[in-house]
Amino acid sequence: GAVVSQHPSWVICKSGTSVKIECRSLDFQATTMFWYRQFPKQSLMLMATSNEGSKATYEQGVEKDKFLINHASLTLSTLTVTSAHPEDSSFYICSATASADTQYFGPGTRLTVL
Amino acid sequence: AQSVTQLGSHVSVSEGALVLLRCNYSSSVPPYLFWYVQYPNQGLQLLLKYTSAATLVKGINGFEAEFKKSETSFHLTKPSAHMSDAAEYFCAVSGTASKLTFGTGTRLQVTL
Repeated sequence: GAVVSQHPSWVICKSGTSVKIECRSLDFQATTMFWYRQFPKQSLMLMATSNEGSKATYEQGVEKDKFLINHASLTLSTLTVTSAHPEDSSFYICSATASADTQYFGPGTRLTVL
Repeated sequence: AQSVTQLGSHVSVSEGALVLLRCNYSSSVPPYLFWYVQYPNQGLQLLLKYTSAATLVKGINGFEAEFKKSETSFHLTKPSAHMSDAAEYFCAVSGTASKLTFGTGTRLQVTL
């Protein structure tokens, strides 16, 4: 149980284009989903918290107009990186939680912007 | 506010030896504490969690951790390392709204 998937697992795009990453909870309903960013050999940095049907809460320093988050259902959240640039290249990981105490993580999406 | 300090960014042990990965936390509220493992190019897998029940927590793959309030520690141990244990390990503390604060991670290397 508690499986979270992400799609795509990796994506390469040209600078200036937008990329959408999906995060799904496969066997449970996620009241809250989180989006993280991880640079090579570094820890995870929380970008935003999203609850189904409401606007995401972004961490300080994260541009909400650049990283659009939609949480349309209890099993799906999407992160869209708009007008991507090479500095947006990173490993993006989502997590989902049904209860207040445990987050279950997706396998991550590696984004490379050329 | 919560914070986590993982002592040692890199730990190397021989196969069959004891694994000890250190984690100290700071929290303004009673903490929930977690250990996650990350294999290359993958997401995080939950090893174990402490949620104010038993102070000695047993997790998957033979790992366990002990919550010591007096030392504000939550060190991860395994009696005998396997080659398959080589990975990055993250300690995390949860505060309000289920938000996790991660440590900087410890890379475990297991040698023959």
